[in-house]
Amino acid sequence: AQSVTQPDIHITVSEGASLELRCNYSYGATPYLFWYVQSPGQGLQLLLKYFSGDTLVQGIKGFEAEFKRSQSSFNLRKPSVHWSDAAEYFCAVGAKGSQGNLIFGKGTKLSVKP
Amino acid sequence: NAGVTQTPKFQVLKTGQSMTLQCAQDMNHEYMSWYRQDPGMGLRLIHYSVGAGITDQGEVPNGYNVSRSTTEDFPLRLLSAAPSQTSVYFCASKRWAGGTDTQYFGPGTRLTVL
Repeated sequence: AQSVTQPDIHITVSEGASLELRCNYSYGATPYLFWYVQSPGQGLQLLLKYFSGDTLVQGIKGFEAEFKRSQSSFNLRKPSVHWSDAAEYFCAVGAKGSQGNLIFGKGTKLSVKP
Repeated sequence: NAGVTQTPKFQVLKTGQSMTLQCAQDMNHEYMSWYRQDPGMGLRLIHYSVGAGITDQGEVPNGYNVSRSTTEDFPLRLLSAAPSQTSVYFCASKRWAGGTDTQYFGPGTRLTVL
């Protein structure tokens, strides 16, 4: 069955520290991978996406993610976290021919300590 | 462009009442979808549409109806609200189905069923 796992429900990091949010997927077809961010009370905003090519993708707000097919992972990273990064982060997977439907992970809530 | 708009932002219903959540987009997108977001569950797909007159079920369609009479609008109907339908509802759209385009999300409707 298709699924996305975000193992960490809640992560707290200090401002200025590095960040890595984990995402593992299970998908039979070639996956398309996305990271979205949701600020409190807001909708979802796309951070970055991977379809093919270079396995390290750059996104907005200084985020990047690396696709590792052998590990079925698509982890999100940021070298230095800002207080404004506090939000919930969702990994999602889709596939060619899936009508564009996405399967979302359950999310990781990020808190940032001053 | 206003993007994806949803009304109302908040709604309280009593069990058994019916209502329609409105969703509109002004980007001439073919694909539109409805998700519900529950704590610890991520986003789950309710229904989607790949064009005017075409709709299909997602992961959790029971208790909800949709129609797509125009490209711009994709309303979600709750025929007889139940407490289990208390959730935050997000509408999303993208240029066409089956592609790898970015899905744009509306701001959400927070629904409480008493």
